[in-house]
Amino acid sequence: GAVVSQHPSWVICKSGTSVKIECRSLDFQATTMFWYRQFPKQSLMLMATSNEGSKATYEQGVEKDKFLINHASLTLSTLTVTSAHPEDSSFYICSAPGTSGTEGFKNIQYFGAGTRLSVL
Amino acid sequence: GDSVTQMEGPVTLSEEAFLTINCTYTATGYPSLFWYVQYPGEGLQLLLKATKADDKGSNKGFEATYRKETTSFHLEKGSVQVSDSAVYFCALKGSRGATNKLIFGTGTLLAVQP
Repeated sequence: GAVVSQHPSWVICKSGTSVKIECRSLDFQATTMFWYRQFPKQSLMLMATSNEGSKATYEQGVEKDKFLINHASLTLSTLTVTSAHPEDSSFYICSAPGTSGTEGFKNIQYFGAGTRLSVL
Repeated sequence: GDSVTQMEGPVTLSEEAFLTINCTYTATGYPSLFWYVQYPGEGLQLLLKATKADDKGSNKGFEATYRKETTSFHLEKGSVQVSDSAVYFCALKGSRGATNKLIFGTGTLLAVQP
């Protein structure tokens, strides 16, 4: 089945540093990827839609300059948390929708395993 | 706008008990409906889905039926196991526009005790 790989799975950084999270679709191409943030015991909050070859679309209330998204190829999107602070500590998850092939594949999204960010 | 409401947890059951997790939705048109499961320390995995009214999604003993008349997609399993302990998310994908955005419910933690 389709696989989305997310790296790293866990990162600890000092306040003020930047952290890059990668999301790769391993066996299919993804012109669109989604980035979510999940707070403890809460649902996923969509942060932005990453579009290959163009600017990301951010949800209301998400700072574009804080969460930089780059979708440079059909299999890779990156999320960079710039000048991270403790309040940015969270679980970040990416997903990519199936875009071709069978209807069963096209109609669902495939999720990465998530990245736990801890900012000290 | 579109939204998903699911029952709050945690839900604590004994092994072999019957499980129901309620999910209702608000959406225009004909959304697709999903249940995702998140095991401890892992990302979300698709559990089952239904794309039109009266469809029944099923997987690993779990079932959910797309009920348009009640705008519901309740998750059920006849006999839960300890290994089913996880957080379950109900989600919808709208039918309008080209977006693939998923709208999630708040998640329901299921704890199954031996």
